Amino acid sequence: KQEVTQIPAALSVPEGENLVLNCSFTDSAIYNLQWFRQDPGKGLTSLLLIQSSQREQTSGRLNASLDKSSGRSTLYIAASQPGDSATYLCAVRPTRSNYQLIWGAGTKLIIKP
Amino acid sequence: SQTIHQWPATLVQPVGSPLSLECTVEGTSNPNLYWYRQAAGRGLQLLFYSVGIGQISSEVPQNLSASRPQDRQFILSSKKLLLSDSGFYLCAWSVLDRASAEAFFGQGTRLTVV
Repeated sequence: KQEVTQIPAALSVPEGENLVLNCSFTDSAIYNLQWFRQDPGKGLTSLLLIQSSQREQTSGRLNASLDKSSGRSTLYIAASQPGDSATYLCAVRPTRSNYQLIWGAGTKLIIKP
Repeated sequence: SQTIHQWPATLVQPVGSPLSLECTVEGTSNPNLYWYRQAAGRGLQLLFYSVGIGQISSEVPQNLSASRPQDRQFILSSKKLLLSDSGFYLCAWSVLDRASAEAFFGQGTRLTVV
């Protein structure tokens, strides 16, 4: 059974720092992994999608990597800003049930001005 | 471009009352549609998904039902709400393509059953 874990559950850092959020999954049989951002009381915004054949994806100050064999992904945020404060969720799409996403519980990120 | 609309944004309903949450997608055809529930501090739980009109699959037994009367419309319903139905409900869509299959979400509905 696929399980997704995100560590840490919460993170607070000063503005301007570079930071890394972690996502691990137990079954490497995935089509892709997706990172989302969720602001309080809001829906999810897709940040980056990494296909299983890819190693990383970049969008602006965000870079996501994928090591499928070890079951790990990281989301790197460069030069963090207070506007980056949100909960970050990762989800994998297993090959055994491609309609489904398996979710981590999220990392709540606070960037202090 | 594709957009997804979900309403209402917030809802307070008494126990035993009916429920109807609606989700529509624009700018795409024959999407996969999903209803998720999110509990505080936990990951999202898939409630229903649909690969076409009238085709609904349920992931967990519960007090809720879903319907897809049109290609881009997905409705979450209940005949009689329970206190345990309170939560944050999210609608999502994706293209049925295994390689890409990026998921996109609506803004969610905060349901409070009192």
